[in-house]
Amino acid sequence: RKEVEQDPGPFNVPEGATVAFNCTYSNSASQSFFWYRQDCRKEPKLLMSVYSSGNEDGRFTAQLNRASQYISLLIRDSKLSDSATYLCAVNPVDGQAGTALIFGKGTTLSVSS
Amino acid sequence: ETGVTQSPTHLIKTRGQQVTLRCSSQSGHNTVSWYQQALGQGPQFIFQYYREEENGRGNFPPRFSGLQFPNYSSELNVNALELDDSALYLCASSPGTLQETQYFGPGTRLLVL
Repeated sequence: RKEVEQDPGPFNVPEGATVAFNCTYSNSASQSFFWYRQDCRKEPKLLMSVYSSGNEDGRFTAQLNRASQYISLLIRDSKLSDSATYLCAVNPVDGQAGTALIFGKGTTLSVSS
Repeated sequence: ETGVTQSPTHLIKTRGQQVTLRCSSQSGHNTVSWYQQALGQGPQFIFQYYREEENGRGNFPPRFSGLQFPNYSSELNVNALELDDSALYLCASSPGTLQETQYFGPGTRLLVL
């Protein structure tokens, strides 16, 4: 099982749609979880940290389910500008890897008018 | 912008050559992590430096080496380049080593011919 797995995508949705991405992780001791957004040929940019209680930032909601070892990202009222690749990242708290982030392969979202 | 800078932006090398990539971390950040992102993949952790010491390493061969300087800037060196080393190399800085959020620079795109 890969350390971090994401829905393969691509997700093609119309403007205004609600879309959800899931990400599973294998290391139950993981402590920190993040969603990054990456535009084509650009660097990943932090979208949200994910907390145990879940958190919301405008149209974006992130949730963590420790029992099932997955995190999710919900995007409401999708905009054309939301089109990007969404990367899930987990800090496994492995003593050999410092505070490395382990990334999934990413899920591509395409929002159309 | 994150305040993390990388140079050069693009580089073309041939097999067997050596390359040095540079990263300046965000002001106040003492931890730098390096990642390799191949096309269609998520970033893969190479290693991390904290206060000039290597603080963790991913599954990369010894020909990938690094340095961190007293001003917390960093270098990634790759010897004996192989075609598979062609990728986007990302540097990320964070304030410390305890599960801190990482902020990425724009990356260096390396092509090995």
